[in-house]
Amino acid sequence: AQSVTQLDSHVSVSEGTPVLLRCNYSSSYSPSLFWYVQHPNKGLQLLLKYTSAATLVKGINGFEAEFKKSETSFHLTKPSAHMSDAAEYFCVVSWGTSYGKLTFGQGTILTVHP
Amino acid sequence: NAGVTQTPKFQVLKTGQSMTLQCAQDMNHEYMSWYRQDPGMGLRLIHYSVGAGITDQGEVPNGYNVSRSTTEDFPLRLLSAAPSQTSVYFCASSTGTGRGYTFGSGTRLTVV
Repeated sequence: AQSVTQLDSHVSVSEGTPVLLRCNYSSSYSPSLFWYVQHPNKGLQLLLKYTSAATLVKGINGFEAEFKKSETSFHLTKPSAHMSDAAEYFCVVSWGTSYGKLTFGQGTILTVHP
Repeated sequence: NAGVTQTPKFQVLKTGQSMTLQCAQDMNHEYMSWYRQDPGMGLRLIHYSVGAGITDQGEVPNGYNVSRSTTEDFPLRLLSAAPSQTSVYFCASSTGTGRGYTFGSGTRLTVV
């Protein structure tokens, strides 16, 4: 079965330092890759998506992700963390033949310290 | 505002009761789906639909029914609630594979 693995369940950073949230997916053709963010007791908001165009994808709020096919990875980064970035982040994959069904990673909780 | 609307936001059920979670979208999206969110497990797909009259099972369909009589609505029915169905439920819609989904704000369900 196709799967998505977020390598860290919790990441803690200081405000102003870089953020790295790691994601790997099982190999298959034509993946569409997404990162969603969920603030406490809120719904999910799309941060960015990769759909076979440029491998470096820019999203909202200064986040970026790079699609690396050889490593089957789609890590999320931000150069400088802000307190408002504290949330849970989900790496999500949709495969070409899956009719839009999404497979979620387990989530990474990002804590930002002052 | 355009988007995905879920009702109710909160619900408490007794074991064995039935209920319907409502989901409506006004973006004319073909694809709609239901997910449940449990701590440490991300979101798991319950049922999905690729258009009016077409539905299929996801990863965790047992105990749930769906139908899609219109493009706009995709209700989720719990047939006989069990404590294991205590969860947060999200409805989502999309124009198609690779486009990303728009999520509703969720329904927090507790079964006692």
